[in-house]
Amino acid sequence: QVQLVQSGGEVKKPGASLKVSCKASDYTFPSNGITWVRQDPGQGLEWMGWISTHSGNTNYAQKLNGRVTMTTDTSTSTTYMELRSLRSDDTAVYYCVSGSSGLDHAFDIWGQGTMVTVSS
Amino acid sequence: QSALTQPPSASGSPGQSVTISCTGTSSDVGGYNFVSWYQQHPGKAPKVMIYAVSKRPSGVPDRFSGSKSGNTASLTVSGLQAEDEAAYYCSSYAGGTYPQILFGGGTKLTVL
Repeated sequence: QVQLVQSGGEVKKPGASLKVSCKASDYTFPSNGITWVRQDPGQGLEWMGWISTHSGNTNYAQKLNGRVTMTTDTSTSTTYMELRSLRSDDTAVYYCVSGSSGLDHAFDIWGQGTMVTVSS
Repeated sequence: QSALTQPPSASGSPGQSVTISCTGTSSDVGGYNFVSWYQQHPGKAPKVMIYAVSKRPSGVPDRFSGSKSGNTASLTVSGLQAEDEAAYYCSSYAGGTYPQILFGGGTKLTVL
């Protein structure tokens, strides 16, 4: 099964931008695309959006108000999630996730998570 | 759309059964058979235990089962074991103009 390897943790100031990468270990993207999910420290999970790794089509959470962009580089099997105008409540662990064939809208493949702290 | 509603905590003794509920609306839980359940131990990434309401991925014990009635989905853990102590999150596909995945707030399951 493909593994997803994410970039390392980051500390950002409010108003800055963040870009997290997610690389498929065997250079093969999961067929269900890549979804980004974040988790506030000690809190629940939040869906941020999805990108098709084949077409580049995206679907973002309305709550993020246009601050997020997801892109994919098929030559390196890497997906990126950029979040702009960071606020303190963007402090969270960010996961890239996907589902194996047959697992529609469910996620059995998780990256290791990227801890992002937004603080002045 | 709001997050799905789960009880914050649940508990049971070893060997007992416990059921965790997940309440949504007709636009998410009630409208689609895309409810999933995730188990998360502290410091670990979540692990899918149930998908498509009641299907178990390979390797998940059959002690875990899922069901749905109307706008409420349920996860039942039978024959509780110490290692089942974890946080459990439900999720559902939500259609409409802006399709998305909704998550519940999580339920901390304690094995007494």
